Amino acid sequence: EPEVTQTPSHQVTQMGQEVILRCVPISNHLYFYWYRQILGQKVEFLVSFYNNEISEKSEIFDDQFSVERPDGSNFTLKIRSTKLEDSAMYFCASSNNWGTEAFFGQGTRLTVV
Amino acid sequence: KQEVTQIPAALSVPEGENLVLNCSFTDSAIYNLQWFRQDPGKGLTSLLLIQSSQREQTSGRLNASLDKSSGRSTLYIAASQPGDSATYLCAVYNQGGKLIFGQGTELSVKP
Repeated sequence: EPEVTQTPSHQVTQMGQEVILRCVPISNHLYFYWYRQILGQKVEFLVSFYNNEISEKSEIFDDQFSVERPDGSNFTLKIRSTKLEDSAMYFCASSNNWGTEAFFGQGTRLTVV
Repeated sequence: KQEVTQIPAALSVPEGENLVLNCSFTDSAIYNLQWFRQDPGKGLTSLLLIQSSQREQTSGRLNASLDKSSGRSTLYIAASQPGDSATYLCAVYNQGGKLIFGQGTELSVKP
């Protein structure tokens, strides 16, 4: 069964460092998303991406964040200068059309120290 | 601004019981609603998607209903099993196509 895969599963980084979280969405899907979940809090939307451009982004998704689809299979989230409050589980998701069933990856747990 | 609330926050039941999880949302102008399961420290597994034009959707022992006018959805789990123990999340698609999540109901099914 097709699935969304994310790497790494866990990343520890020092404050101020850049991190890149990687995702391989389901192959025939066209819409891609990043969400995050701070420990004990709700899952919250970061950004949606379609046709090689950002469709929508939340207030959280400031200039420190960027997304890219560098080739036909990968979808990445870059945080340029990590802060302690960026520590969270980051989920990638994809769907084959707008507003249809979204499939999530297993997440990358980012710990900023 | 859309807010999604799930009640109860936690639920413990003996094996074999039927149970209902509740989800409410403040803005009825939703596109779709999706229920997920989350195991501790893991990702989100999609359970059911209900389109805004539908009243309910079934998958195995799960049945989800949607009442847009009252801003409510329920997830019914029949004949619960210990393997059903997890956190269940409700999320609504707003007109922008992003999911807005509730805080989840943590379910524990005791053998």
